[in-house]
Amino acid sequence: EADIYQTPRYLVIGTGKKITLECSQTMGHDKMYWYQQDPGMELHLIHYSYGVNSTEKGDLSSESTVSRIRTEHFPLTLESARPSHTSQYLCASSASGRGSTDTQYFGPGTRLTVL
Amino acid sequence: GESVGLHLPTLSVQEGDNSIINCAYSNSASDYFIWYKQESGKGPQFIIDIRSNMDKRQGQRVTVLLNKTVKHLSLQIAATQPGDSAVYFCAGSGYSTLTFGKGTMLLVSP
Repeated sequence: EADIYQTPRYLVIGTGKKITLECSQTMGHDKMYWYQQDPGMELHLIHYSYGVNSTEKGDLSSESTVSRIRTEHFPLTLESARPSHTSQYLCASSASGRGSTDTQYFGPGTRLTVL
Repeated sequence: GESVGLHLPTLSVQEGDNSIINCAYSNSASDYFIWYKQESGKGPQFIIDIRSNMDKRQGQRVTVLLNKTVKHLSLQIAATQPGDSAVYFCAGSGYSTLTFGKGTMLLVSP
């Protein structure tokens, strides 16, 4: 069982609100990721980080932003939520360094609905 | 660029049958592949992985086969159980991170 946590699990919010989705992992992993996934569809990488103070945009353009001030914490923020942001957001982490693989371990996800 | 895809969107099997889920990839430089299982309302869960220097790897009731010649990998589940019902994703190592395929929904009927 992977020790990666996401809060909230479900969020319903009105258009224009600012929201932050939390992600924390206790595995000491350097690499962390955010994916967006619509029901039954593939995962789209929106942000990733290789370590503290490192953030990169993923393959799918996103209006969200991320920060990595602590190794274990990788929050995602939407400054002004819109209905098009309605989706499931998955956080993952992986180890780095000699002998490690790219295996990513996922949190349970946050299902966001913007009205 | 890398793309990873699955051949069938849905696979229906009877309990006790063996299941085979297929995946094709395009990046011949990918050297690591993973299969994930995602149950409804949950995040993807690691099942099994394989490096490109291997053709086959076995786990508990699962086997992954890699054919680098045709850039194809498959996940075999032996004696499929109702608890195996989920969406299965393959993923391949890319330039900086993993690339995920579209997913196959496995439906197991009693």
